[in-house]
Amino acid sequence: DTGVSQDPRHKITKRGQNVTFRCDPISEHNRLYWYRQTLGQGPEFLTYFQNEAQLEKSRLLSDRFSAERPKGSFSTLEIQRTEQGDSAMYLCASSSALGPINYGYTFGSGTRLTVV
Amino acid sequence: TQLLEQSPQFLSIQEGENLTVYCNSSSVFSSLQWYRQEPGEGPVLLVTVVTGGEVKKLKRLTFQFGDARKDSSLHITAAQPGDTGLYLCAGAFNDYKLSFGAGTTVTVRA
Repeated sequence: DTGVSQDPRHKITKRGQNVTFRCDPISEHNRLYWYRQTLGQGPEFLTYFQNEAQLEKSRLLSDRFSAERPKGSFSTLEIQRTEQGDSAMYLCASSSALGPINYGYTFGSGTRLTVV
Repeated sequence: TQLLEQSPQFLSIQEGENLTVYCNSSSVFSSLQWYRQEPGEGPVLLVTVVTGGEVKKLKRLTFQFGDARKDSSLHITAAQPGDTGLYLCAGAFNDYKLSFGAGTTVTVRA
């Protein structure tokens, strides 16, 4: 297994444009997460899928953001009408459900978004 | 405001020295994890601690979970340049979501 893959690694876009990021999790993992990390901060939770169901969305995720995981495998995160404040590293992670304890995630390398 | 406070924010030491990074919260966690992140990459999981008072060792790294499951520390013995990176602690309230600290940037000079 090649781990969690994210594409693209880097994206520069003009303000107002739409962007879409893709994440391919570890194939055995049924849970997938999106986090956002800005400079000097730790990752912040955006949303979480178990199989194809989106079970939680953070208030950080405005109506310009949408995430999907159509067949319970890969996921996409779309940002519409990008703003400069959207510039950040977008991290995808996956894990397996192992009962009541969270034993941690495997993260991808992230997509660095720069909005100019 | 982050639920987990990490200290110090930056740490620069000479190769061979020891260092300790702290992670504190007023919240009780069901588990706590430590990750290391290099520039331009995602965090990599180092360890998960679950039981209050638990101590785990990973080669030269020692992780401790506080008795009340509110805080943790990471101690590195005889640091090497390869230990350089951003160390992040993350606490879990449930079985899926993590709350991360802002991280400690460790630089080990050769």
